[in-house]
Formats: sequence, structure tokens, C-alpha cells
Amino acid sequence: GNSVTQMEGPVTLSEEAFLTINCTYTATGYPSLFWYVQYPGEGLQLLLKATKADDKGSNKGFEATYRKETTSFHLEKGSVQVSDSAVYFCALDPDNYGQNFVFGPGTRLSVLP
Amino acid sequence: DAGVIQSPRHEVTEMGQEVTLRCKPISGHDYLFWYRQTMMRGLELLIYFNNNVPIDDSGMPEDRFSAKMPNASFSTLKIQPSEPRDSAVYFCASSKTAGDPSTTTQYFGPGTRLLVL
Repeated sequence: GNSVTQMEGPVTLSEEAFLTINCTYTATGYPSLFWYVQYPGEGLQLLLKATKADDKGSNKGFEATYRKETTSFHLEKGSVQVSDSAVYFCALDPDNYGQNFVFGPGTRLSVLP
Repeated sequence: DAGVIQSPRHEVTEMGQEVTLRCKPISGHDYLFWYRQTMMRGLELLIYFNNNVPIDDSGMPEDRFSAKMPNASFSTLKIQPSEPRDSAVYFCASSKTAGDPSTTTQYFGPGTRLLVL
């Protein structure tokens, strides 16, 4: 079946630290991969996506590379800010139709000034 | 674009009462999804529609939950009767079938925070 595994949080970092949130997936076929971010009291927002192997998604200083050989899509940012404090969800779309998304459990990030 | 709109944003009710949550998807989107988010279970898909027709309701917890989509711009999720364990954040999301993976994604509303006392 299809599944997404994320590193457990919470992750607490100081401002300007380097961020990595690990995400690995299991899927049949060639899924699209996503990172969503949920700020306190808000809904999930698409942060970035990648649709095929070796693609790199990027947005707001965040990056993630679709690694088919390791079935991973790790989220990285070189220098986090307090405003990046949120919950981050890794997700996959197994058939690229935008329907049967599978979400990871989320990783809470807290950035301290 | 206004994005996905949900109402109410917050709802507090007593056990046994009927609760109706509302959603307006992004114009032109043909898929609509209802999710529930709790600390214990994370994000769960309850039901989704395509062109106003329910496609998969296997995530609906029990008969107390029902969802309708009378037209392309409106959907409701109803809980009757409500119970304390229904307390959660309920999200609506929509997407458009484009046939191109680079443009297919789900867009979420702000959610309805439901508390059943």
C-alpha cells in the first residue's frame, strides 16, 4: 500500500539554524510528492511539490528533492526564522490525479529567537 | 481567487445536537474533500466528491455523519447527533483534475474547529 513516514517531533531550533525534516514513502508506481505547512489556527498550505524522480521543489527558502532510490523527500532550509514555526506534513499522490492523497503524521517545528 | 471557504470557523455545541459544517470550493475545481484532524489520529479523509457525486465515503466514522454536495459550489458535512469524541478540526479541500501532475494538488480551507461538550 501507500504510506508516508515522517520524523517525530517536536523539532526545536534556534533562529538561523539549519533545518531537516525527514520524509520517506512507500508507493506503487510513480507518485507526486508534497510538503504542506500548517501555521497555528490555520489550514494546510502547499509549500512545495515534486512530480518525478530527481525533481527539486522549492519555495520560501525551503527545498526538497524527490529521491526515488531512497524513496525519500526530505525538507530542508538553510536558515530558519521564528515565523517558520508550524507543523509540516509530507504527502504523496499515488496516481497524480489529485484525489487519493496520503499524508504523514506531521512534524511540529518550533523556532526560538 | 478567494480560496476554499469554510463556515463556521468555530462551533461549540452540546452532545446530542445537530452540527452542520459548510464548504465552498475553489471555482472550477471538480473534486471536494472532507478531512478531520485530531491530535490522536492526525489527518483523516472522511469523504470526497467528484462533480458533486460522492466517490469514496469509506472514511466516514459512522451513520451519524453525512455529507452532501448539491451543486459545484457548496457542500455540507452534518453530524447528528453529535458526541464529544467528534471534537476535532474539520477541513474541506478542493482540487482540479488537470491530467498534468505538475498542476494537480489539493487546496485546503481554514477549517472548522468543533467542540462538542
